Amino acid sequence: GQNIDQPTEMTATEGAIVQINCTYQTSGFNGLFWYQQHAGEAPTFLSYNVLDGLEEKGRFSSFLSRSKGYSYLLLKELQMKDSASYLCAVCDSNYQLIWGAGTKLIIKP
Amino acid sequence: DAMVIQNPRYQVTQFGKPVTLSCSQTLNHNVMYWYQQKSSQAPKLLFHYYDKDFNNEADTPDNFQSRRPNTSFCFLDIRSPGLGDAAMYLCATSLTPGQGTDTQYFGPGTRLTVL
Repeated sequence: GQNIDQPTEMTATEGAIVQINCTYQTSGFNGLFWYQQHAGEAPTFLSYNVLDGLEEKGRFSSFLSRSKGYSYLLLKELQMKDSASYLCAVCDSNYQLIWGAGTKLIIKP
Repeated sequence: DAMVIQNPRYQVTQFGKPVTLSCSQTLNHNVMYWYQQKSSQAPKLLFHYYDKDFNNEADTPDNFQSRRPNTSFCFLDIRSPGLGDAAMYLCATSLTPGQGTDTQYFGPGTRLTVL
């Protein structure tokens, strides 16, 4: 079966750095997405990786290792508004998105 | 601004009373998706349309139907809502299917409560 694993919840301090990991087992791979979802709101697109390596976009970076079936989202200089769930999703061989359950990130002052 | 709009944002219905949720988009995207998302769970794809070509997920209950009368609009009909259907319903669009780089853009969602 297809599976996406992420930690359920993480806590970090304002101004710090946090890394959210995602491991996947899917039938084929056509890229990995990270979405941010605030409570009661829709997911918003953060990043897309299809090749190995690090993609940097401001305070957020996303890393992919296809051989290890592994990605992480790195958030720097954390702000209170970064408190949200972060969803990892993999595009499989049928170009369907397989979603993880999300990691709830709690930022403390 | 180009966007995905869902109405209503909050819907309350009674057990067994049909309900329709609507989604519209100004992005002129070919693909529209309906997801169901329960608290702290991953979004679950119910169906998607590529233009007028309807694709039903194998495990989507018959209680759920969808219509796409034109490119801009898509509707989700729940014929006889049960308590287990209470959830956030998310509409999303993408330019084309089958493209790994094709990002899905989401509407704000409709939170359905079943009494």
